[in-house]
Amino acid sequence: AQTVTQSQPEMSVQEAETVTLSCTYDTSESNYYLFWYKQPPSRQMILVIRQEAYKQQNATENRFSVNFQKAAKSFSLKISDSQLGDTAMYFCAVNRDDKIIFGKGTRLHILP
Amino acid sequence: NAGVTQTPKFRILKIGQSMTLQCTQDMNHNYMYWYRQDPGMGLKLIYYSVGAGITDKGEVPNGYNVSRSTTEDFPLRLELAAPSQTSVYFCASSPTRTGYPEAFFGQGTRLTVV
Repeated sequence: AQTVTQSQPEMSVQEAETVTLSCTYDTSESNYYLFWYKQPPSRQMILVIRQEAYKQQNATENRFSVNFQKAAKSFSLKISDSQLGDTAMYFCAVNRDDKIIFGKGTRLHILP
Repeated sequence: NAGVTQTPKFRILKIGQSMTLQCTQDMNHNYMYWYRQDPGMGLKLIYYSVGAGITDKGEVPNGYNVSRSTTEDFPLRLELAAPSQTSVYFCASSPTRTGYPEAFFGQGTRLTVV
């Protein structure tokens, strides 16, 4: 069974707009962490933001923020004031049973 | 500050050959992982380790083997390479399951089996 589901394979938005990437996950653990990673064309995996499930407050990192809905097992990423450099693959991930499991990714294009 | 180092960066292998992808980390992390990423796809977990001497299978372990004799090193062995193993391979490490448990990644190894 899929543990992490990203329902949007590809998205495009205009520069300076706000975009939201969706992610749902499955885990039976009571405390866990969720992550969003960015993979630009360089192939490097870059941590964008993390969220501890015990914390009700949504994590923010500059223009990046999450909407964490624990009961719904939903963990979306919002990018505000999008920039050309945000063009990349974005992966949602959860640490579960000593493993870190990734979704299939969303390819995001920021258009000039 | 090297982080996670993978070698080689690129390799072309013939069907049936074997090779070892090297991975070493200098952050004293307990957890280490091997993933493969097929074109346009996400990362699939091959094997992982929670400490020296302990390894376990991930989502797609067939055709691979690992060992973890030290905290620093986690090599991935491909026996009898097949075209289906053409992929980009990432090694990663993380310090713990709690605290800040995110994975730190190496630069990846692009492997082509012909």
